[in-house]
Amino acid sequence: DVVVTQSPRSLPVTLGQSASISCRSSQPLVFSDGNTYFNWFQQRPGQSPRRLIYEVSKRDSGAPDRFSGSGSDTDFTLQISRVEAEDVGVYYCMQGTHWPWTFGQGTKVEIK
Amino acid sequence: EVHLVESGGGLVQPGGSLRLSCAASGFTFSSFPMHWVRQAPGKGLESVSAISAYGGNTYYIDSVKGRFTISRDNSKNTLYLQMGSLRVEDMAVYYCMREAPNGSGDYWGQGTLVTVSS
Repeated sequence: DVVVTQSPRSLPVTLGQSASISCRSSQPLVFSDGNTYFNWFQQRPGQSPRRLIYEVSKRDSGAPDRFSGSGSDTDFTLQISRVEAEDVGVYYCMQGTHWPWTFGQGTKVEIK
Repeated sequence: EVHLVESGGGLVQPGGSLRLSCAASGFTFSSFPMHWVRQAPGKGLESVSAISAYGGNTYYIDSVKGRFTISRDNSKNTLYLQMGSLRVEDMAVYYCMREAPNGSGDYWGQGTLVTVSS
């Protein structure tokens, strides 16, 4: 199985500051069709996961534009600019290129 | 609006069985592959099983092969997960998730809790 290693596990941030979360895959994530199926999810306390980013950098329509994704091959990053109180929660990366789809360990974002 | 509503969770003894259901609405169910993803208490997310749009192809993680069976009834817009020989390590919230055509899950249900304990 593809192992996705996510860091940091905990991320205290100051309101209005930026934050960055990284994921590294044990295998390249380019699919046979040329696309890279790498995603980011947000899970607020007591809620189901919600997709923010798909195909590395495409933002979901309901995701604020302060969320952005980047990366390629095996290294990916989620950037949150101008962190707001509603961004508190756990963020997961996930690869959807190889079965089984695998998730990173999660990053807990909290306000300092 | 897309809705996924899981049901069927509960308390079961080790070695027991349970069938989860996921009722889908707001989209053409038969056009989308579907997944089950679980989350053990206080832990991260784990893919469990997936099924193609018409049910012809199924996928499982190694730890549930031979014990779990995923299926769907497109006439009822419902996804199922039949779980058998349950173990303590299967205890989790089970989410159903719609697979978008881009290697991602774009909609998730609210989850149903499976507790395995004697």
